[in-house]
Amino acid sequence: DAKTTQPPSMDCAEGRAANLPCNHSTISGNEYVYWYRQIHSQGPQYIIHGLKNNETNEMASLIITEDRKSSTLILPHATLRDTAVYYCIVSFPNDYKLSFGAGTTVTVRA
Amino acid sequence: GAVVSQHPSRVICKSGTSVKIECRSLDFQATTMFWYRQFPKQSLMLMATSNEGSKATYEQGVEKDKFLINHASLTLSTLTVTSAHPEDSSFYICSARDLTGGNTEAFFGQGTRLTVV
Repeated sequence: DAKTTQPPSMDCAEGRAANLPCNHSTISGNEYVYWYRQIHSQGPQYIIHGLKNNETNEMASLIITEDRKSSTLILPHATLRDTAVYYCIVSFPNDYKLSFGAGTTVTVRA
Repeated sequence: GAVVSQHPSRVICKSGTSVKIECRSLDFQATTMFWYRQFPKQSLMLMATSNEGSKATYEQGVEKDKFLINHASLTLSTLTVTSAHPEDSSFYICSARDLTGGNTEAFFGQGTRLTVV
């Protein structure tokens, strides 16, 4: 009962922007979109989250479509250390559970 | 962001023995903690939700008598794998979320690689 759909993998060039898509067509009005990433053999790392407005922090930008059925995580200048599995998750802010799908394996190449 | 520390980072134990994994929130009080398990090349699977001062809630298919969870304080939850067997070998990850503070993001420990021989 995955709530999100992400491409299984993508490559990007070092120094270029990486745009990671996520479809969440069944998202409800109060559910947030969260992005996490997991570098090999480490615990997941929080990246960013948003409800309806676009968000930006020191790591990334999150663009959410007006109908909220999809979003894009943007890594503005990808580095080799950004190689990881990126997970897009929708969740209520007070929901105890985060359900992880398969994510997108991003490989940044020199 | 907040820091969640997990210990040990890796452990090897003999089949039939028990292993305890600790998860600590270092700079915030975690009213709720979560335990996940991850097999190679798979995603994280939620095992249980640990609420401070009350019994843990286990996901369907997770044996509560095998995976004992204790959340006795606002900064510490422990997962004990009892009578471990080779099929319990996995990457165990905890996360913590302080829902009372208005924060919504979860923070994860670095994970524990359990190998049962």
